[in-house]
Amino acid sequence: DAGVTQSPTHLIKTRGQHVTLRCSPISGHKSVSWYQQVLGQGPQFIFQYYEKEERGRGNFPDRFSARQFPNYSSELNVNALLLGDSALYLCASRRTSGNADSYEQYFGPGTRLTVT
Amino acid sequence: SQQGEEDPQALSIQEGENATMNCSYKTSINNLQWYRQNSGRGLVHLILIRSNEREKHSGRLRVTLDTSKKSSSLLITASRAADTASYFCATHYTGANSKLTFGKGITLSVRP
Repeated sequence: DAGVTQSPTHLIKTRGQHVTLRCSPISGHKSVSWYQQVLGQGPQFIFQYYEKEERGRGNFPDRFSARQFPNYSSELNVNALLLGDSALYLCASRRTSGNADSYEQYFGPGTRLTVT
Repeated sequence: SQQGEEDPQALSIQEGENATMNCSYKTSINNLQWYRQNSGRGLVHLILIRSNEREKHSGRLRVTLDTSKKSSSLLITASRAADTASYFCATHYTGANSKLTFGKGITLSVRP
């Protein structure tokens, strides 16, 4: 089975612009989460979507938004980009079956966003 | 803020030696997970330990959890050069849905 896929791999944007990042979860996984990882830090939680509804939101400004589609793929949108938004954006999917082991998350390779 | 804190921040060992990494956290958890990251790319899940478990093994990995001290350790035995990577502990607390809270990570270098 294919793992979590993300596109694009790399992206360079200018301050003030808008960006859309895309994620396809593992087949059968209905939960998708987004994380931001700044260089030298651990990933920070941005959003979780399950069954197309937002189920969790981290401490990020309203410039960050996301959605999940009927096929469980997801988009992360960031408006009015700032230099500080430069980071690796990771998408993770999770099988949701009520079994504690399903809390294991499968991460995609990430999208490296550089804001100049 | 990041709940988990790993130590040491960096670890350099010789191939064949054991590597021990520690993680401390602040609040009650549902489970604790360890992930590996190579060269700033995606994270790979290594092992999950539930709050009611004290020790778990997976291949060359051994993880322990002490909920009274709010700490965990990851032991990699007989390390290999391919184990060179960054390692993160991530905590999942009850009611957090999928949210994982990561530490800053440990950089492990295994010298051939």
